[in-house]
Amino acid sequence: EAQVTQNPRYLITVTGKKLTVTCSQNMNHEYMSWYRQDPGLGLRQIYYSMNVEVTDKGDVPEGYKVSRKEKRNFPLILESPSPNQTSLYFCASSPDGTYGEKLFFGSGTQLSVL
Amino acid sequence: TQLLEQSPQFLSIQEGENLTVYCNSSSVFSSLQWYRQEPGEGPVLLVTVVTGGEVKKLKRLTFQFGDARKDSSLHITAAQPGDTGLYLCAGYSGAGSYQLTFGKGTKLSVIP
Repeated sequence: EAQVTQNPRYLITVTGKKLTVTCSQNMNHEYMSWYRQDPGLGLRQIYYSMNVEVTDKGDVPEGYKVSRKEKRNFPLILESPSPNQTSLYFCASSPDGTYGEKLFFGSGTQLSVL
Repeated sequence: TQLLEQSPQFLSIQEGENLTVYCNSSSVFSSLQWYRQEPGEGPVLLVTVVTGGEVKKLKRLTFQFGDARKDSSLHITAAQPGDTGLYLCAGYSGAGSYQLTFGKGTKLSVIP
């Protein structure tokens, strides 16, 4: 089944403790992206990757890092999480990210930073 | 970043009623998409509109892209409880654009 898989689904952590949220897609997509979703603010893009060689910042990249060492995986790294990073995170992918393409989303990771 | 304003933010209606959700911007978008998100899940694409004035129908859902490609609407006829969810519009700013900008969403509740 074609899908984007995120892990974990739920994560509670404390301020300053490094964490990684994994994202994997099995559709051979070039483009992958991370979003965070907050009440009243909607979905905001954190980082995106056009292919394994190119990664760029989205609208809210501060406090996050990403890595694209292979096409299928795009982990989101929080080096020193803070409470304002408590949010619902989504990973997404599409064939090559150009306009009009369908974006496939994972089921989300609910992160709480205490 | 180009902004997309969705209205209304919340909508609660009775089963069988019709409704329209709006997505507006001061900027031109090369294409606009509508997604539906259910609790605990990621958004799922409903439709993509590309041409100004374009109208697409998906069963009881009708999507329209404004002539100037700055706005879009989603009309649901005879809403059903299964239509309940968060509806999101999203736009690409230009050809070759890799950034999809989302509106804040319209939370729809259809009461049986």
